[in-house]
Amino acid sequence: AQTVTQSQPEMSVQEAETVTLSCTYDTSENNYYLFWYKQPPSRQMILVIRQEAYKQQNATENRFSVNFQKAAKSFSLKISDSQLGDTAMYFCAFMKQKTSYDKVIFGPGTSLSVIP
Amino acid sequence: SQTIHQWPATLVQPVGSPLSLECTVEGTSNPNLYWYRQAAGRGLQLLFYSVGIGQISSEVPQNLSASRPQDRQFILSSKKLLLSDSGFYLCAWKWKGGTNTEAFFGQGTRLTVV
Repeated sequence: AQTVTQSQPEMSVQEAETVTLSCTYDTSENNYYLFWYKQPPSRQMILVIRQEAYKQQNATENRFSVNFQKAAKSFSLKISDSQLGDTAMYFCAFMKQKTSYDKVIFGPGTSLSVIP
Repeated sequence: SQTIHQWPATLVQPVGSPLSLECTVEGTSNPNLYWYRQAAGRGLQLLFYSVGIGQISSEVPQNLSASRPQDRQFILSSKKLLLSDSGFYLCAWKWKGGTNTEAFFGQGTRLTVV
């Protein structure tokens, strides 16, 4: 079974600074997807960024980028130029690739506070 | 475009009472559907998922059940609620397989069992 671990329950960062959120996962699969979802105070879940395991290049979406280390089973999220709107819970998630029975497994989350 | 509706938004129920949370998806067909629970200060725990009408997979043994009577309708139920059933319940959908990997979530239901 796949598991996702986020070792930082809470983090804070000054506005305009950079912060990195950690995630590790355990799987015997070779092909899979990894995600970071954001849950702001409104509780609406929003996809931030995704990474295909077969791609060596790290995904980037504007101020958000990942450091994907497949061998180490590590998938960290870097937020650059942090903004107050980045305050949210951030969930790392895993999904096996290309199957109809695809489940998205989430980690416990990291609560990020951006301090003005 | 696709939308997902989940209701009610908030629910307070006494211990031992029944539960029915409903989730419907519009604008797509044959989606995978999911129920997650988020306990206070914790992550999202997958409760049930469904790949088609009448096909339900349970991830954890519990006091809850799920049903999918129609292609785009997913219902979470309980015959008798426990205090431990309190939490934030999220319904989600996604396209099957391929490169459509994003899960789309409803607004959630906050359930308080008293």
